[in-house]
Amino acid sequence: DGGITQSPKYLFRKEGQNVTLSCEQNLNHDAMYWYRQDPGQGLRLIYYSQIVNDFQKGDIAEGYSVSREKKESFPLTVTSAQKNPTAFYLCASSIDGARSGTAYNEQFFGPGTRLTVL
Amino acid sequence: AQSVAQPEDQVNVAEGNPLTVKCTYSVSGNPYLFWYVQYPNRGLQFLLKYITGDNLVKGSYGFEAEFNKSQTSFHLKKPSALVSDSALYFCAVRRHSSASKIIFGSGTRLSIRP
Repeated sequence: DGGITQSPKYLFRKEGQNVTLSCEQNLNHDAMYWYRQDPGQGLRLIYYSQIVNDFQKGDIAEGYSVSREKKESFPLTVTSAQKNPTAFYLCASSIDGARSGTAYNEQFFGPGTRLTVL
Repeated sequence: AQSVAQPEDQVNVAEGNPLTVKCTYSVSGNPYLFWYVQYPNRGLQFLLKYITGDNLVKGSYGFEAEFNKSQTSFHLKKPSALVSDSALYFCAVRRHSSASKIIFGSGTRLSIRP
């Protein structure tokens, strides 16, 4: 998990609330990703960013929003529009991005945030 | 479209025996292939990857994987399993394009009994 941090480790949300999950990296990576992990379904891509000030929707972006104002930071907001937000959320980063043009470098993952809706 | 299949939800192996975790993929063109490991309530850790060249790739903790283009497979192997290898393993594939997304398999839980 070195080099990429996520906070908080556990997060509880009441229905109707927006919550923001933090992701910070000190690896100087251009690309950052948010995944959702549910039991038996592997990782599903929510949003990704290949360079600062730019991001794209992944496969399950509805009910989520992101920003990429700084290279080191890629916060994820889970909005009240997300109907089933209880899950384990993983942030990742990679050298591969818009500037490198490469696709063969591995991703580095944070330790995750477990979100529970009360 | 890209896809990755890990046909076994769980693999059980006795300590000291060889282990194999299976992965098959579908991608247009040549793939980049990855294996990651996840311990409980933790993020994923990179194990190894195939980019090009030698079909046998060696990675962390004594793991290796063999790329088989004709069978579109990238099975993870280890000659002698340890109890500490017990974890969730993910295979992933990506096309040769920085604009492509990485696709993860559904994961295989490896259980090593003493």
